[in-house]
Amino acid sequence: EAAVTQSPRNKVTVTGGNVTLSCRQTNSHNYMYWYRQDTGHGLRLIHYSYGAGNLQIGDVPDGYKATRTTQEDFFLLLELASPSQTSLYFCASSRDRDNERLFFGHGTKLSVL
Amino acid sequence: GEQVEQLPSILRVQEGSSASINCSYEDSASNYFPWYKQEPGENPKLIIDIRSNMERKQIQELIVLLDKKAKRFSLHITDTQPGDSAMYFCAASRNTGYQNFYFGKGTSLTVIP
Repeated sequence: EAAVTQSPRNKVTVTGGNVTLSCRQTNSHNYMYWYRQDTGHGLRLIHYSYGAGNLQIGDVPDGYKATRTTQEDFFLLLELASPSQTSLYFCASSRDRDNERLFFGHGTKLSVL
Repeated sequence: GEQVEQLPSILRVQEGSSASINCSYEDSASNYFPWYKQEPGENPKLIIDIRSNMERKQIQELIVLLDKKAKRFSLHITDTQPGDSAMYFCAASRNTGYQNFYFGKGTSLTVIP
């Protein structure tokens, strides 16, 4: 089973705060994704990446930056956090472009007060 | 991006009966349709998937049907057990260009003993 590790598991910040969510996968997967999960909205894609240095915009990118520093590491940055960004964030990875399954991390619960 | 509609949002069934979840998609180029199960406090995990070259796939009590003309696919859980209680997400993906997954909003399934 592919391993996707997210940190921190829980984070509380204030409005305007600076937050970095981390994700590491150790299975040499090419694709990595950041989703947010909200009741009534399911899983919505924020950003994704195919390989180190690559970044693609997802469906709900406003207020988020992301950076893929290595094949293993994908970061989500909230530079001016707002209460609307209170959510459960999932990182996921998949092997390549031929419709491979997603492996999810265990999520980061972010609260913006 | 692709829109995936999932119904119902809430489903309650008696133990031993069948449960059905339906999804529809817009992009006729979508060719991969996975289903994920998310138990409370856990990450989503793939339970079954189907590709566009198939109409039906079964893994034990899970059956997935795909109707490409109607752009609909469905998950059927036969002989439901309390352990099937969870949130279920359908998704659609295509592998032209970058791989991306679009999720439905989820179905909360409760199996009543």
